[in-house]
Amino acid sequence: EVQLVESGGGLVQPGGSLRLSCAASGFTFSSYWMSWVRQAPGKGLEWVANIKYDGSEKYYVDSLKGRFTISRDNAKNSLYLQMNSLRAADTAVYYCARERYGSWVYWGQGTLVTVSS
Amino acid sequence: DIQMTQSPSTLSASIGDRVTITCRASQSISGSLAWYQQKPGKAPKLLIYKASNLESGVPSRFSGSGSGTEFYFTISSLQPDDFATYYCQHYNSYPWTFGQGTKVEIK
Repeated sequence: EVQLVESGGGLVQPGGSLRLSCAASGFTFSSYWMSWVRQAPGKGLEWVANIKYDGSEKYYVDSLKGRFTISRDNAKNSLYLQMNSLRAADTAVYYCARERYGSWVYWGQGTLVTVSS
Repeated sequence: DIQMTQSPSTLSASIGDRVTITCRASQSISGSLAWYQQKPGKAPKLLIYKASNLESGVPSRFSGSGSGTEFYFTISSLQPDDFATYYCQHYNSYPWTFGQGTKVEIK
C-alpha cells in the first residue's frame, strides 16, 4: 500500500525557517517524481515544487523561488521541503504527492504550517 | 503562467441532477488537464487525467471532456457522496496551476 506521511509542520515566527519531511512507503520511491502542494486555510490548491526521481531536476512556482528548496533522499525514501524567510502568506497545509505524468494519485494527509508571531 | 478559471465557483444541486463544471485555460494546454475532488480536511482525490481519462476506481458517473483552452467536468447523476469541492489543474508547462475550485452544495 502506498503511504505518504508528512511531518515537520508547526508554528513558526515570520522570517523563520522550517523543514518539512515526507516519508514514503509501499512503492519504489526512487522511480517517481514527487511534488509539494499547499492549501492556505479556506483557500484553493497551489502547486509548490517538484523533483525528478533522481533529484537532477527541480521546478518551483515562481513566487517561491529562492525561499523554498525541494530535495529528496532516495536511500531514506524521503522527500523534503526547506522553507526559509517564512511569511504569514505561507500559512497552509502542505501535502506531498506522488506524480504520474503531471497529476497526483497518491497524497499524504498534509502537515499544517502556521506563520505567526 | 497559465491561468485556470473555473465556473461556477459554487453550484447548488439536488441528488440525481446532472452537473457540469467548466475550466478555461488562458492559453492552450492541449489535453494536459486533471480534475480532483476534495472534501473538508482531506487530501484531494484524482478523478480525471488527460482531460477525459477516468482514474481507476472512480465511478463512471464522473467524466471529463475538452481540449485546448476549454474543458468540462460532468457528474451525470449527483450522489450524496459527491458534495465536495472540485478543482481542475493543468500540467502542460511549469508552473502547474489549479482553478480556484467549484463547491458543489446541496440544493
